[in-house]
Parts: sequence; C-alpha cells; structure tokens
Amino acid sequence: GEEVAQTPKHLVRGEGQKAKLYCAPIKGHSYVFWYQQVLKNEFKFLISFQNENVFDETGMPKERFSAKCLPNSPCSLEIQATKLEDSAVYFCASSQSLPGQGQETQYFGPGTRLLVL
Amino acid sequence: AQTVTQSQPEMSVQEAETVTLSCTYDTSESDYYLFWYKQPPSRQMILVIRQEAYKQQNATENRFSVNFQKAAKSFSLKISDSQLGDAAMYFCAYRSGRGSTLGRLYFGRGTQLTVWP
Repeated sequence: GEEVAQTPKHLVRGEGQKAKLYCAPIKGHSYVFWYQQVLKNEFKFLISFQNENVFDETGMPKERFSAKCLPNSPCSLEIQATKLEDSAVYFCASSQSLPGQGQETQYFGPGTRLLVL
Repeated sequence: AQTVTQSQPEMSVQEAETVTLSCTYDTSESDYYLFWYKQPPSRQMILVIRQEAYKQQNATENRFSVNFQKAAKSFSLKISDSQLGDAAMYFCAYRSGRGSTLGRLYFGRGTQLTVWP
C-alpha cells in the first residue's frame, strides 16, 4: 500500500493482559521501526527491522515486549503482562532504505492507542 | 546518545504571519539527517521537511523552510503565511547516517503551535 497501516486504532487491556499490535509497512519499504509515544509527548524508540530480521533492538524492554516481521504478514509488537505505564500511542514507521542510500525518510502509520487499566 | 532539544513548549502566531520554531541537537557525528514532523490532534505524524547535514543549502517546502546552522547544531523551522491548518505539535528529529544507531529517530519534546485567526 501507499501508507503505513496500523491496527487496531485503539486497544484497552486490563493490567496483566496481553496486547498485540500490527503494522503493514508501505509496499517496497524494507525497514520497519516501532516507537512509543507516552502522554508527555516523549518518543521512545523500541525496535527496527530490515525485512524479517531484527536490525536494532536496543530500545526494547525485553522482559515483556517482543516483535516480529514475518514474510507476507504484517509486523507485530506484542506486550505480555501489560502494566499501567505501557499506556501510550505506539507508532510504526517504514522507510525504503537506510541513511546514505537515498529514500531514507521514515513514514509513520496512524498509531495504536493502548490504554492499560 | 544523540539529544534533540526544543526549548519552546508552546508558540503562537497570527494567521498569515511568520513563526520560527527552534531546535538544537547534540552529536559528534558529521553524517546525519534532520527532520521536522507535524502531529495534529489526530496524532498522525506528517513529515514537513528534511535536511541532509552534508548539504549547505537550507531545505524549503512551499511555506516551510529551515535555517540549518551545522556548526551551532541548530535546525529551526520557519513557517511563512501561517494558516489555521498549521496548528499542531511540531517535532524536530535527528537520524544518524552511520554507526550502531543507524536508522532510528531521536525526537525533541515538541512545540505546540497555536494559530490565531
């Protein structure tokens, strides 16, 4: 597609429940990025993929967060045992290439708003 | 890690006037990219303008232009002939051109722009 698609738009979970978010990058884009935006507008980088391979996962809280990008499937971000502080908007972005290769601009999806009660 | 600072949490401008949003960043790298994104209340992240650090010429996109001062590590956004639709949160972002953090965006905390009719 011509836009990054994210589902669902909104997700409500009780504390301790699992949450799973999906992202379909723009067709032809090889790189996918996940960011978390908390209520104070702060963006936190979580993880990036080059096709189905993890490229950079240094931002991931690994004990509860996991992510995948499998061939012919939307990418996913899963949070096991959600906590109140996981409430945020989760953005997926994709780019055609990395810096220095041209076409490195990241295009963002509309986000998934996760509310943990 | 690179840091991006937006020192103006809020700015306001009269319709048709010009406003400048400030952004500074801290890096030891010479190869990088800078971006301004706009986030309206819908939370969609919209690319406004981008600048490659190796280019001396300031980027322009219609009513939007930047003042890129590499030595001062400053990257301000000028919006000319402001329109009501320009009202949004504006984020300055940095992207490394190489190294272990290649690809990820570092964001400032944002500047909320109000446009008065």
